[in-house]
Amino acid sequence: GDSVTQMEGPVTLSEEAFLTINCTYTATGYPSLFWYVQYPGEGLQLLLKATKADDKGSNKGFEATYRKETTSFHLEKGSVQVSDSAVYFCAPNSNSGYALNFGKGTSLLVTP
Amino acid sequence: GAGVSQSPRYKVAKRGQDVALRCDPISGHVSLFWYQQALGQGPEFLTYFQNEAQLDKSGLPSDRFFAERPEGSVSTLKIQRTQQEDSAVYLCASSLGGGSSGAEAFFGQGTRLTVV
Repeated sequence: GDSVTQMEGPVTLSEEAFLTINCTYTATGYPSLFWYVQYPGEGLQLLLKATKADDKGSNKGFEATYRKETTSFHLEKGSVQVSDSAVYFCAPNSNSGYALNFGKGTSLLVTP
Repeated sequence: GAGVSQSPRYKVAKRGQDVALRCDPISGHVSLFWYQQALGQGPEFLTYFQNEAQLDKSGLPSDRFFAERPEGSVSTLKIQRTQQEDSAVYLCASSLGGGSSGAEAFFGQGTRLTVV
């Protein structure tokens, strides 16, 4: 079946450091790809998405590029802030096309 | 309301008890999803509704789990004869369209179920 592999957390970075959270997936066809974020005490919310190969999703300084060749969708940010501390989930659409297939999540803690 | 609302936020059930979890999606959203999130894991798909029709229930873990959305808006996830392995956060999500790939899903804050 489909699977999503995210880098293990927790990840601890100092403010203004560079962030990469790796995500690779297996899927039939070319699913839309999403990153969702869960801030402390809040529900999951969409961070960014890409719907076809080579698309780059971006939001709040975060970016991820749909890499069809490597079936990857790595999340990056050039300079993290304390307010970016959260759990990040990589989530391709499942084969159904409507449900999401979530990774285990990567916890990020940014210290001042 | 402005977002997806779930109630109760927390539920403690004795093993063997039946529970009902409620989801109020964003008004006008056609698609509604239920996910189960175990501690330290990502959410896992349970079931999908398009309006009042339950189009996919492939993720429901057993016949003790039942979901409905009779009028195409509010949905209820019912778990009969709860077991300890049912302890998890149950997430509801809705999206505007009819379940197309690439559509943004809006999540509620979830119901944390603890079975003792």
